[in-house]
Amino acid sequence: GQNIDQPTEMTATEGAIVQINCTYQTSGFNGLFWYQQHAGEAPTFLSYNVLDGLEEKGRFSSFLSRSKGYSYLLLKELQMKDSASYLCAVRDGRQAGTALIFGKGTTLSVSS
Amino acid sequence: DVKVTQSSRYLVKRTGEKVFLECVQDMDHENMFWYRQDPGLGLRLIYFSYDVKMKEKGDIPEGYSVSREKKERFSLILESASTNQTSMYLCASKSASDTQYFGPGTRLTVL
Repeated sequence: GQNIDQPTEMTATEGAIVQINCTYQTSGFNGLFWYQQHAGEAPTFLSYNVLDGLEEKGRFSSFLSRSKGYSYLLLKELQMKDSASYLCAVRDGRQAGTALIFGKGTTLSVSS
Repeated sequence: DVKVTQSSRYLVKRTGEKVFLECVQDMDHENMFWYRQDPGLGLRLIYFSYDVKMKEKGDIPEGYSVSREKKERFSLILESASTNQTSMYLCASKSASDTQYFGPGTRLTVL
């Protein structure tokens, strides 16, 4: 079967660092994506990993270990505007190479 | 900038009505997708299309159909709306780099 797991909720304070984990079990693997979604809005693309290792993009970094079926999104210097849902998604190469399988999302609340 | 637009942000329909949700992208992407998003269930793929007139079922196609007559436009059709189709509907378009870009979403309520 196919399964993507991530925590339902996390809380953190302004200025802190938070790590959102994602584990996946899919029939195929052709890349892992992180999206950010503010309440009532559409998801927006944050990062893409297809090879093992860390991808850094400003305050956000994403890590992938294909052998462990594991990824994390690291958010540094948290700001109030980072309060949002963070979605982990895997591209299952088996499914015509185009569709993404999404986790249920992690709702992050940042407080002052 | 990639732009994906959806015909309505909010829609209220009655049970049994035929509903059309339209999505347009302006980046000449070949792949387009329709998802629904529900609390506790996340994003679920309804249908996707990888070319004009081509479509494939996603995880939850029952009660839905799609149309892709032109490359830029991908329509989701609810032949006979039911209350369990009340949801947020998100359209997405995929670039050559595999990044999916989402439209603003349509919040559909079926009474």
